Amino acid sequence: QSVLTQPPSASGTPGQRVAISCSGSSSNIGSNPVNWYQHLPGTAPKLLIYINNQRPSGVPDRFSGSKSGTSASLAVSGLQSEDEADYYCAAWDDSLNGWVFGGGTKLTVL
Amino acid sequence: EVQLVESGGGLVKPGGSLRLSCAASGFTFSSYSMNWVRQAPGKGLEWVSSISSSSSHIYYADSVKGRFTISRDNAENSLYLQMNSLRAEDTAVYYCAKAEQWPGGFDYWGQGTLVTVSS
Repeated sequence: QSVLTQPPSASGTPGQRVAISCSGSSSNIGSNPVNWYQHLPGTAPKLLIYINNQRPSGVPDRFSGSKSGTSASLAVSGLQSEDEADYYCAAWDDSLNGWVFGGGTKLTVL
Repeated sequence: EVQLVESGGGLVKPGGSLRLSCAASGFTFSSYSMNWVRQAPGKGLEWVSSISSSSSHIYYADSVKGRFTISRDNAENSLYLQMNSLRAEDTAVYYCAKAEQWPGGFDYWGQGTLVTVSS
């Protein structure tokens, strides 16, 4: 059971907007920034969003992040077929003294 | 160009040991914290361990505490993970990941090395 809770799956059609939630607690999301990763099986994970809502250079502005209280959300707008991947949220946990990841959300583009 | 290349994975029996290495290039290795993250077959990403730039701060996931040891050699631009008392549940692809300056995330990852623990 992951410390951060994500829905196991999400889906949308090309062009649609999809949001993926990430729920935590006061010791992780409630007190530390959230990062999001995109992972295609067999490849290296990729940092998609850092410090809640910042995009690394090269990440399209179709991807956006937000955080409120002990929850965070990743939104993908203008969905494209290449967005089909697994998405993970992560944050530092002050109680565990370590990084915690969500269980991952498999995004399917229908 | 930042590159992280893991090596040292393989098949090992339960109770055995393995040492993973991660060769870094394309950035000032000695300035950044480094991490190991793993993914078991069919499972999600799991953080394993972190080490600060000067090795002064080291952290482990509870699942590996007391069995795994993270270390680094800044002169050799290398990160290591010594894994002892291996269990079947340690079977996973192990990724080396560079951390952005706090509080940023892991901005570069290697391609991973597979560790299989089986008799």
